[in-house]
Amino acid sequence: SQKIEQNSEALNIQEGKTATLTCNYTNYSPAYLQWYRQDPGRGPVFLLLIRENEKEKRKERLKVTFDTTLKQSLFHITASQPADSATYLCAAEYNFNKFYFGSGTKLNVKP
Amino acid sequence: DVKVTQSSRYLVKRTGEKVFLECVQDMDHENMFWYRQDPGLGLRLIYFSYDVKMKEKGDIPEGYSVSREKKERFSLILESASTNQTSMYLCASSLQRGSSYNEQFFGPGTRLTVL
Repeated sequence: SQKIEQNSEALNIQEGKTATLTCNYTNYSPAYLQWYRQDPGRGPVFLLLIRENEKEKRKERLKVTFDTTLKQSLFHITASQPADSATYLCAAEYNFNKFYFGSGTKLNVKP
Repeated sequence: DVKVTQSSRYLVKRTGEKVFLECVQDMDHENMFWYRQDPGLGLRLIYFSYDVKMKEKGDIPEGYSVSREKKERFSLILESASTNQTSMYLCASSLQRGSSYNEQFFGPGTRLTVL
């Protein structure tokens, strides 16, 4: 089956800096890659989706890229704030709503 | 406002018990999903359903079954609970099979402990 890998180590950055999170996939390229935010004790919340034929997508302070050569997606939060502290999950969608999630990367933004 | 609700936030059951986890969505979504989330393993798909009475196995269906008798409700059943089924269970829904808008809406989760 497909594997989605995210850095399990927490990412600690200073407020105002850009946070960059990585998601790598194995084998086949997914039709879509999605990014979710999860706060402790809560379900994930959808942030952004990027299709296989798109290189980059933006939404306010968020940017996601999709590189099929490197088999990688990068998720950026610019001008990060302490309120951005959470765990961020990457999800790859293959055929017919078959989703594979990474284990998530915890982001800590220090004031 | 979009809503996915799960019947319990916390549940404690004994080994061998039959356990029902209920999920309801109010968005008229076609697709519904059950995941379990464990530290270091991420979310793993147990079952999903793209229509009433239809179901598809995910990656880890063993020890679980599901029921979807109505569009808005998707139940996860643990036929005989075991300690290795202690986990956080998350239900999700999404709009339509084949739709461009495949974002999933998640419920708050049920933390199940099997003793």
